[in-house]
Amino acid sequence: AQSVTQPDIHITVSEGASLELRCNYSYGATPYLFWYVQSPGQGLQLLLKYFSGDTLVQGIKGFEAEFKRSQSSFNLRKPSVHWSDAAEYFCAVGGMDGQNFVFGPGTRLSVLP
Amino acid sequence: NAGVMQNPRHLVRRRGQEARLRCSPMKGHSHVYWYRQLPEEGLKFMVYLQKENIIDESGMPKERFSAEFPKEGPSILRIQQVVRGDSAAYFCASSPPARGELFFGEGSRLTVL
Repeated sequence: AQSVTQPDIHITVSEGASLELRCNYSYGATPYLFWYVQSPGQGLQLLLKYFSGDTLVQGIKGFEAEFKRSQSSFNLRKPSVHWSDAAEYFCAVGGMDGQNFVFGPGTRLSVLP
Repeated sequence: NAGVMQNPRHLVRRRGQEARLRCSPMKGHSHVYWYRQLPEEGLKFMVYLQKENIIDESGMPKERFSAEFPKEGPSILRIQQVVRGDSAAYFCASSPPARGELFFGEGSRLTVL
């Protein structure tokens, strides 16, 4: 069965520091991979997605993620974090048909001034 | 192009009452998904629908919960005889056919007194 793990429940970084949020997945076919961000009381906004092709994908707000098939990972990175990046981040995996879309448990990011 | 529209944004019900949550997908999207998010938790899949069909309801509780996506009008998530444990944020997402990418609404927050 498909699953997503995000090993870090809560991460705290200083503003301006680099960030990496980890995501590992289990999926029986070629996965579609996503990162979403959720601010308190809000819905989910898509940061970036990987369907195929270049394994390094660029997203909005300066985020990027790298797909590593050998490690079943899709880690999210940002070179310099801004205070407004404080939010909950969810990794997700799904298939082209839209079925079996599964979210990880989320990583809460706190940013210190 | 309007995004996924959910209403009401906030709903308060007393135990034993019914809750109806509505979701209008983005224009051109024929797939609708419902997720539940309990406080301080991630998103749990409930049901996946296409027009007039339930494709996957493996995440729906067996009793009191039902969902529909009629040929005309929004998708409805219905919770009968609500209990305090139903208090949560309910998110709807939509996707176009064969795209695999979900677009989320702002959520409906149900509080059961």
